Amino acid sequence: SQELEQSPQSLIVQEGKNLTINCTSSKTLYGLYWYKQKYGEGLIFLMMLQKGGEEKSHEKITAKLDEKKQQSSLHITASQPSHAGIYLCGADLNTGNQFYFGTGTSLTVIP
Amino acid sequence: EAQVTQNPRYLITVTGKKLTVTCSQNMNHEYMSWYRQDPGLGLRQIYYSMNVEATDKGDVPEGYKVSRKEKRNFPLILESPSPNQTSLYFCASSLSYSSETQYFGPGTRLLVL
Repeated sequence: SQELEQSPQSLIVQEGKNLTINCTSSKTLYGLYWYKQKYGEGLIFLMMLQKGGEEKSHEKITAKLDEKKQQSSLHITASQPSHAGIYLCGADLNTGNQFYFGTGTSLTVIP
Repeated sequence: EAQVTQNPRYLITVTGKKLTVTCSQNMNHEYMSWYRQDPGLGLRQIYYSMNVEATDKGDVPEGYKVSRKEKRNFPLILESPSPNQTSLYFCASSLSYSSETQYFGPGTRLLVL
């Protein structure tokens, strides 16, 4: 079973549209990370959230961690073709020193 | 430049032929990991290392070995590769395990025939 569930699995949006990607865990998220991956390449760190209710923004991307620390969302405002790629959430679930990732959300932005 | 390097970037091999994928970081990081990425399964942790001479199994360690003799290097060894180990492999490092982002290498695409 997957420790972190991401939804949707894929997303196709028109340039300029807003979108949201969700990451859900059945366990408490002690550290939640968002990464972006261009197809077949390495991961680029976007943001890290730790506290319940925390929200961070970078350029047009905003990430939130819910109060219960079991769900995070990544919101992109006015999407651009440069936002295209695979978005992955990763987390410390305090189950040892392992790190878990979601299955990823593939984003396509149509000009 | 701070980075994680992996070699080779692409590898085609045959079943049973031992191979090693190297990983090196120049940031004096203590925590290093290996992941494999497969369609529909996301990234799964193979092995991780908290520091020199301290390695432990992740979610999918079967068929893999690692070693951490020096802080900067964390090679991934496939003693007898099989086709189900065909995948995209990533090495990552971070200053410590908790509360830190991981820096990822560029990936190694492995095909086992």
